Amino acid sequence: GAVVSQHPSRVICKSGTSVKIECRSLDFQATTMFWYRQFPKQSLMLMATSNEGSKATYEQGVEKDKFLINHASLTLSTLTVTSAHPEDSSFYICSARGGGWGSYNEQFFGPGTRLTVL
Amino acid sequence: LAKTTQPISMDSYEGQEVNITCSHNNIATNDYITWYQQFPSQGPRFIIQGYKTKVTNEVASLFIPADRKSSTLSLPRVSLSDTAVYYCLVGDEKEGGKLIFGQGTELSVKP
Repeated sequence: GAVVSQHPSRVICKSGTSVKIECRSLDFQATTMFWYRQFPKQSLMLMATSNEGSKATYEQGVEKDKFLINHASLTLSTLTVTSAHPEDSSFYICSARGGGWGSYNEQFFGPGTRLTVL
Repeated sequence: LAKTTQPISMDSYEGQEVNITCSHNNIATNDYITWYQQFPSQGPRFIIQGYKTKVTNEVASLFIPADRKSSTLSLPRVSLSDTAVYYCLVGDEKEGGKLIFGQGTELSVKP
């Protein structure tokens, strides 16, 4: 299947700093990318949907000013956690979906980024 | 809210066939059913997708009855490495491919 990468895989930062996470589709053009957050022993929670060249659509309860999403190209989306606090510590996962595929909802997930805020 | 319901956990032994059933009573006409596997601290991995009847690939089979209100993922002869969380999702193009994850089924394979 298609490959999606995330960078960094792990990041530790101090409270109050901002952290940027990159999501790249390596061998296909992703018209849509999704960002998820996963706490220990819980399921993935969809945070936002990002379409190339347009503003992201955030799920209810997700602060768009805190979680800035940019999808400037067909292969790259970034998530910036602004003024991170310990409660933002989580596993962040992106997924990418191309256009014109035969099956609906065929998404490919990145390996995830573990964020720890001290 | 997730559109699916699955058992929270299942236990099995190596070499057995495992069947995980998912309920999606409110599935819409355009919805596809997709199953993912997730290991700890990794992103989900696509297993199989179907719309109706039976789909089979090199790792699993997916059985979907005519009313499509449920589906069953079948893993033949599981091994210890199949210990993971399995998610069943439904979705369609009208929502832009958005997938809402339910709680998933934690499968534990024992020797």
